[in-house]
Amino acid sequence: EAQVTQNPRYLITVTGKKLTVTCSQNMNHEYMSWYRQDPGLGLRQIYYSMNVEVTDKGDVPEGYKVSRKEKRNFPLILESPSPNQTSLYFCASSFSAGGLEQYFGPGTRLTVT
Amino acid sequence: QKEVEQNSGPLSVPEGAIASLNCTYSDRGSQSFFWYRQYSGKSPELIMFIYSNGDKEDGRFTAQLNKASQYVSLLIRDSQPSDSATYLCAVNSPSGGYNKLIFGAGTRLAVHP
Repeated sequence: EAQVTQNPRYLITVTGKKLTVTCSQNMNHEYMSWYRQDPGLGLRQIYYSMNVEVTDKGDVPEGYKVSRKEKRNFPLILESPSPNQTSLYFCASSFSAGGLEQYFGPGTRLTVT
Repeated sequence: QKEVEQNSGPLSVPEGAIASLNCTYSDRGSQSFFWYRQYSGKSPELIMFIYSNGDKEDGRFTAQLNKASQYVSLLIRDSQPSDSATYLCAVNSPSGGYNKLIFGAGTRLAVHP
């Protein structure tokens, strides 16, 4: 089944404790992206990647890191999480390097206390 | 900042009626337009995309695009209670050498029996 997977689906952590949210797609897609979704603010792009080893900042990259060492994986790293990073996070991928027709993973609900 | 605007709703329609969802965008350079459906607590699901002026039909869904007026709409015919969800409009924004998707905050649709 073609899909984007994320782990974990739910995470409660404390301020400053490094964490990684994994994202994997099995569709051989070129483009991958991370979004956060907050009430009233919609989906905002954090980072994106148009290909292996090519990543760039989206609209809200502060406090996040990413890497794209393999085509299928695009982990999101929070080196020192803070409460304002409490949010619903989505990974997405697209066959198009331009990021059109993006397909989303199931989401990760992160709470930082 | 390029914007995508949607009425937040809720838009309430009776079962069997036509639901009309609207979206306006500010970037005249946008070429691709997408509609996502998002059930509460779930990930956005791509349901329609349109690249050319006019109408595009897929089952009960019709997307309409008017680039001169910078608006895109989604019509849902024979609305069903299962259509109750938030509908996100996304518009590509070619800037900085790559395409990015700008999402509206979404319109909540409620279909009542």
